Amino acid sequence: AQSVTQLGSHVSVSEGALVLLRCNYSSSVPPYLFWYVQYPNQGLQLLLKYTTGATLVKGINGFEAEFKKSETSFHLTKPSAHMSDAAEYFCAVGTGGSYIPTFGRGTSLIVHP
Amino acid sequence: DGGITQSPKYLFRKEGQNVTLSCEQNLNHDAMYWYRQDPGQGLRLIYYSQIVNDFQKGDIAEGYSVSREKKESFPLTVTSAQKNPTAFYLCASSLIGGSYEQYFGPGTRLTVT
Repeated sequence: AQSVTQLGSHVSVSEGALVLLRCNYSSSVPPYLFWYVQYPNQGLQLLLKYTTGATLVKGINGFEAEFKKSETSFHLTKPSAHMSDAAEYFCAVGTGGSYIPTFGRGTSLIVHP
Repeated sequence: DGGITQSPKYLFRKEGQNVTLSCEQNLNHDAMYWYRQDPGQGLRLIYYSQIVNDFQKGDIAEGYSVSREKKESFPLTVTSAQKNPTAFYLCASSLIGGSYEQYFGPGTRLTVT
């Protein structure tokens, strides 16, 4: 079984500040890890993914995430927040044995001017 | 352009009526999924299908039905048996194999009164 925990249903930052969205997972086998972004009334868009290899993954819009096996974490970061980053962010975990990913409950990122 | 289309964007129905939500993809993906999204609850899996003429129940299948007569199409019917049908519905697709990353449609917001 696999599960995902996203710490904080809402995260508020000032424009230009560091963005850190936390994701912890549990999986009995090596995981595939994903971050998706959802803007209001739209579908989800893949930001980045980790499958194998380099543990620091770069995605679109300046976001990156680091897979830390020892901490079972896959936190999403961006050095400098922009107003356009305000959205809902979902972390998801999958495995090679199951094509059904498990999604976290989402974190709403609020960016203040 | 390849992608997933959902129609309509907004749908209004009276209680007691069945309603069908459309989902079409031209990505040549084998697997298709339906999710329901409610505020603060993340994504909940309704049904999924790996191949034509075959589909499986997800976590909240009661009150819903699907069909998969063509690889490109996976319509969802919300029946009158669904007690709380007002929600945002998302369709997704993925390849079978690899990391199974999902591609999402723009969603349909269903309001039942």
